[in-house]
Amino acid sequence: AQSVSQHNHHVILSEAASLELGCNYSYGGTVNLFWYVQYPGQHLQLLLKYFSGDPLVKGIKGFEAEFIKSKFSFNLRKPSVQWSDTAEYFCAVIEGSASKIIFGSGTRLSIRP
Amino acid sequence: GAGVSQTPSNKVTEKGKYVELRCDPISGHTALYWYRQSLGQGPEFLIYFQGTGAADDSGLPNDRFFAVRPEGSVSTLKIQRTERGDSAVYLCASSSGLAGVGETQYFGPGTRLLVL
Repeated sequence: AQSVSQHNHHVILSEAASLELGCNYSYGGTVNLFWYVQYPGQHLQLLLKYFSGDPLVKGIKGFEAEFIKSKFSFNLRKPSVQWSDTAEYFCAVIEGSASKIIFGSGTRLSIRP
Repeated sequence: GAGVSQTPSNKVTEKGKYVELRCDPISGHTALYWYRQSLGQGPEFLIYFQGTGAADDSGLPNDRFFAVRPEGSVSTLKIQRTERGDSAVYLCASSSGLAGVGETQYFGPGTRLLVL
């Protein structure tokens, strides 16, 4: 069965530090990839998605992610984090043209002001 | 415009009881999805509808779980003979088309279900 791994359960950074959150998936065929974010007390919302084309995807709030097919990875990056980036981040995958999204277990990001 | 809404926001019930959870999708969205999120985990797919029909119900854990969307808008997730293990946040999402072809899913706030 397809799975998504987020190896970092909790990441703590200081403001202005650079961020990289890891995401690996297990499916070998065509995939569509997402990063979702859940700010404290808010709904899940889409940060960015990859469907085709340029493997470097830009999202909202200065986030980007790079799809590396050979490594089955879709890591999330931000060059300089802010306190307001404190949230839970979920990587997710769709296999082929299906509509069933498989989520990772999430990474909690805490930013020290 | 209004987003996805879910009612109730919290539901406490006793083991063995029946519960219904409601989802109002964004107006005009044809696709509707249900997920379950347990503590410390990511959302787990349960079922999705395209219009009135369940296009994929492979995530429903057993026959105690059932969902309907009779008019292609509002959906109800029904859980019979609830068990303590059913305690979780139940999330609903909708999209204007299928997520698999690029449409974004918009999530509701969830219903927190606690089975005592």
